[in-house]
Amino acid sequence: DAKTTQPPSMDCAEGRAANLPCNHSTISGNEYVYWYRQIHSQGPQYIIHGLKNNETNEMASLIITEDRKSSTLILPHATLRDTAVYYCIVSAGGTSYGKLTFGQGTILTVHP
Amino acid sequence: GAVVSQHPSRVICKSGTSVKIECRSLDFQATTMFWYRQFPKQSLMLMATSNEGSKATYEQGVEKDKFLINHASLTLSTLTVTSAHPEDSSFYICSARENRDIQYFGAGTRLSVL
Repeated sequence: DAKTTQPPSMDCAEGRAANLPCNHSTISGNEYVYWYRQIHSQGPQYIIHGLKNNETNEMASLIITEDRKSSTLILPHATLRDTAVYYCIVSAGGTSYGKLTFGQGTILTVHP
Repeated sequence: GAVVSQHPSRVICKSGTSVKIECRSLDFQATTMFWYRQFPKQSLMLMATSNEGSKATYEQGVEKDKFLINHASLTLSTLTVTSAHPEDSSFYICSARENRDIQYFGAGTRLSVL
């Protein structure tokens, strides 16, 4: 599976949009981009995933560049409860079908 | 999203005893479940992939005789830590993959071995 690069930490003011970047320059054509977050001492929570089109759900939006080498997770109106570690993961089929390899992620701190 | 239940949430045991952790998919059937371990201030590390009705596939460096995995039904996988020692103390997390290729995670089990 392709490796991802994320900034170690980011800050965001409550109520503002949080834009979390992720680089995945070695992504393969059949690999999806997944975003999860982990709040302290809990299991990871699925946020969103996509292949090449931009995606939106009730939690967030995912913007994938046309060359698929990077993406941005957007939390449109961050709240204090969005403070968490955010993981960007690329994963595909084949022998590693479904496996998720977690990196260090981005620690997002939302402040009042 | 789909719900995965993990039990117990916390367990304290004596060194040398065995501990069983259950992972259930509550509202979907999961052919494949995964077991992860997370040490303090570190990221999740995949331990093994559990397929219903077949033997689990362990990641390199994970002792299959120490971490026994059973996936007897489409909604239940269990992880048994055999002869636990203090170095096995960790946060164990399971996940289940549903048919849209999304993994949903349990809340985790904090194991403390005294």
